[in-house]
Amino acid sequence: GAGVSQSPSNKVTEKGKDVELRCDPISGHTALYWYRQSLGQGLEFLIYFQGNSAPDKSGLPSDRFSAERTGGSVSTLTIQRTQQEDSAVYLCASRGVRYNEQFFGPGTRLTVL
Amino acid sequence: KNEVEQSPQNLTAQEGEFITINCSYSVGISALHWLQQHPGGGIVSLFMLSSGKKKHGRLIATINIQEKHSSLHITASHPRDSAVYICAVSIQGAQKLVFGQGTRLTINP
Repeated sequence: GAGVSQSPSNKVTEKGKDVELRCDPISGHTALYWYRQSLGQGLEFLIYFQGNSAPDKSGLPSDRFSAERTGGSVSTLTIQRTQQEDSAVYLCASRGVRYNEQFFGPGTRLTVL
Repeated sequence: KNEVEQSPQNLTAQEGEFITINCSYSVGISALHWLQQHPGGGIVSLFMLSSGKKKHGRLIATINIQEKHSSLHITASHPRDSAVYICAVSIQGAQKLVFGQGTRLTINP
């Protein structure tokens, strides 16, 4: 596709369950980011992938959060044993080689009951 | 204190007015970004700048590196400009973005 896509668009889960969120970046983009936007809060950085380099995980809020990027393309953000405070919109963005502009996906709205 | 501060947090204006949203930052940056987020919509990148001024249609973004300050201006504002405008900076030496809290702009007809 032409843009960054994310799935699912909405996810409702029960506290304690694990969830997986998927991001398909723009084809050819080497950099991929995950961000979180909690209700009433600003955006916060979670994790950054660049090519084959070790990811920058400095924004992950706890060890329940992990992410991987397979084959330098699709990425999955996994949240284990979800808590109510994990409820937020999770946004993915990708960036090409030449420019610093990031292109954002539509986000996944996660609700933990 | 947040590394990126925006003002005002909320702004309501009448159609046609000239709009200014301000952003100050306290860290070394490689670039500053202005983003737009419509209600229920995704985020669109408006500008990325590291010096000077950029213009796109009715939108103008400026940055003063010495003063660590940027402004986003909208000329001849229109109700469709109503959105949340977010300032973000690329931290020097890192790739992650650090975001301001956003400015909610409402333009009334």
